[in-house]
Amino acid sequence: ETGVTQTPRHLVMGMTNKKSLKCEQHLGHNAMYWYKQSAKKPLELMFVYNFKEQTENNSVPSRFSPECPNSSHLFLHLHTLQPEDSALYLCASSQDPSARSGYTFGSGTRLTVV
Amino acid sequence: AQKITQTQPGMFVQEKEAVTLDCTYDTSDQSYGLFWYKQPSSGEMIFLIYQGSYDEQNATEGRYSLNFQKARKSANLVISASQLGDSAMYFCAMREGRVTGGGNKLTFGTGTQLKVEL
Repeated sequence: ETGVTQTPRHLVMGMTNKKSLKCEQHLGHNAMYWYKQSAKKPLELMFVYNFKEQTENNSVPSRFSPECPNSSHLFLHLHTLQPEDSALYLCASSQDPSARSGYTFGSGTRLTVV
Repeated sequence: AQKITQTQPGMFVQEKEAVTLDCTYDTSDQSYGLFWYKQPSSGEMIFLIYQGSYDEQNATEGRYSLNFQKARKSANLVISASQLGDSAMYFCAMREGRVTGGGNKLTFGTGTQLKVEL
């Protein structure tokens, strides 16, 4: 149990589908993040939320829509995705400010767009 | 220019031997933090060790130690007495600047795949 739970673990969706990824943390952290991990590429930061407010949108296409209703929950709504969006999507949380802590990650959602 | 460079896409080590995974970084900030994460095939990223830019001593956590050479901007991870369960992807990451409101943004390297052999 990592403290950050992501569902679903695996998702296959068509390009015209709409789906959502869910992330939940029980660590009392105030910052939450979405990262995209594609094969042979560094993790790419997508969105940052701090105390439910979005503080970073790293030029992510509008077909990815985040939602953070409270400090414990983070969603990533997906619609009209492209095959190149297939990747592992990782959610993370952190206690901010904290110098020595990095992120606590979930196990990720492996997304395949067909 | 890449902020975090891991030049070893893959490494092999024999069980019970020590192994060093390389990481160099690029920043103009005086205050920054360096992290190492382990990612097994299950996908989750597991925090291993942290080194602050002002820390005078190299960080250690059990079998993990960080060989921090500030002037050379390197932060290599040393795993002693390797175990089969250490086989995984290892990522070096950096947080730049002072920690303020807005989240601890980390920049990751491309990772090193470590395989521990009998």
